[in-house]
Amino acid sequence: AQKITQTQPGMFVQEKEAVTLDCTYDTSDQSYGLFWYKQPSSGEMIFLIYQGSYDEQNATEGRYSLNFQKARKSANLVISASQLGDSAMYFCAMREGGNYGQNFVFGPGTRLSVLP
Amino acid sequence: ETGVTQTPRHLVMGMTNKKSLKCEQHLGHNAMYWYKQSAKKPLELMFVYNFKEQTENNSVPSRFSPECPNSSHLFLHLHTLQPEDSALYLCASSQEGRRTDTQYFGPGTRLTVL
Repeated sequence: AQKITQTQPGMFVQEKEAVTLDCTYDTSDQSYGLFWYKQPSSGEMIFLIYQGSYDEQNATEGRYSLNFQKARKSANLVISASQLGDSAMYFCAMREGGNYGQNFVFGPGTRLSVLP
Repeated sequence: ETGVTQTPRHLVMGMTNKKSLKCEQHLGHNAMYWYKQSAKKPLELMFVYNFKEQTENNSVPSRFSPECPNSSHLFLHLHTLQPEDSALYLCASSQEGRRTDTQYFGPGTRLTVL
């Protein structure tokens, strides 16, 4: 079964508008972490934001915020005031329990295109 | 200076060649990873090194051979590859034991096997 599901293969958003990228996850662990990464066409994976399973507040980093709904097992990324430079692939990832990266799994990604 | 560097950025090789990919992290982390990213496939974890010890090998064919001489350097030795091995190979590092243990990635090596 898929551990991370991103149901939107591609999304379009008008510049300066907000956009939500969906992510649902599947785990039976109580302790886990959720991450979002951005991958521009250059290939580098850029860390954006982290949410811990025990965090009560939704994570925010500048224009990025994570809408964490634990009961629904969703961790959607919200980008406010989209910019042309936000056009990229976005990956949701999860680390389950343990301490080591072997439990780090990525979703299939969503390609975001920001329109001028 | 960028936190994680990878060389070369692009590599074209024949199936009989032997080449190596290099990764270096300048973040003082204790864990390093190799990932493979093929077109239209999720990122695949290949190898994990923690404190220079390999802790994970996700059923990777033996034509890929990792080496981690110290906590800052990671190599991926390639020999007799197949065309389906063409992909973007990403290196990452993290500080295991920290609450967030975020993985930080290098720019990747785009490998083409002819």
